[in-house]
Amino acid sequence: DAGITQSPRHKVTETGTPVTLRCHQTENHRYMYWYRQDPGHGLRLIHYSYGVKDTDKGEVSDGYSVSRSKTEDFLLTLESATSSQTSVYFCAISGQEFYNEQFFGPGTRLTVL
Amino acid sequence: GIQVEQSPPDLILQEGANSTLRCNFSDSVNNLQWFHQNPWGQLINLFYIPSGTKQNGRLSATTVATERYSLLYISSSQTTDSGVYFCAVVGGTSYGKLTFGQGTILTVHP
Repeated sequence: DAGITQSPRHKVTETGTPVTLRCHQTENHRYMYWYRQDPGHGLRLIHYSYGVKDTDKGEVSDGYSVSRSKTEDFLLTLESATSSQTSVYFCAISGQEFYNEQFFGPGTRLTVL
Repeated sequence: GIQVEQSPPDLILQEGANSTLRCNFSDSVNNLQWFHQNPWGQLINLFYIPSGTKQNGRLSATTVATERYSLLYISSSQTTDSGVYFCAVVGGTSYGKLTFGQGTILTVHP
């Protein structure tokens, strides 16, 4: 299995508070992604990174920001959490090319009250 | 953007039965993957198969890129095969974004 961990695995927070989710990999992969999974929508890309300090938006990026200061870590921040951001968040990694196989972390279940 | 359709949406089997899951996609792809999401929510990689045929134990997959479809075969199904099966693709201009189908929910009864 690819070495990907996510923290925290579960979080409950209140509307308006900032939240940061962490993805950590031990594979030295270039690409890292954040997806969210919601009933009726499947998995959708939030943001992705193609290298240290190189990030870009996905299809559902509003309300989220990301940072990647090291190859192994990719952080997802909800600046001011809303109930619509209640979801399961998955981090994924892939190799040196964008079309390489992607491997997913275990997910973080976030509830915004 | 690229569209991904999976069929059937639901499938109920008795243990030991065989099944075929289908994935249709609307444009050329650079990547096609099959995943199994188990009841605990983990996404498990089954196949990376943008074209051709692969086999892994009781599972095999075929992608015919020119006709824009992929098939996942499960033989001699077991209760542990239950869960949701996703097909996901990276389109030609989508910078690595995986576009997922809606999934096939498989239930295998003992």
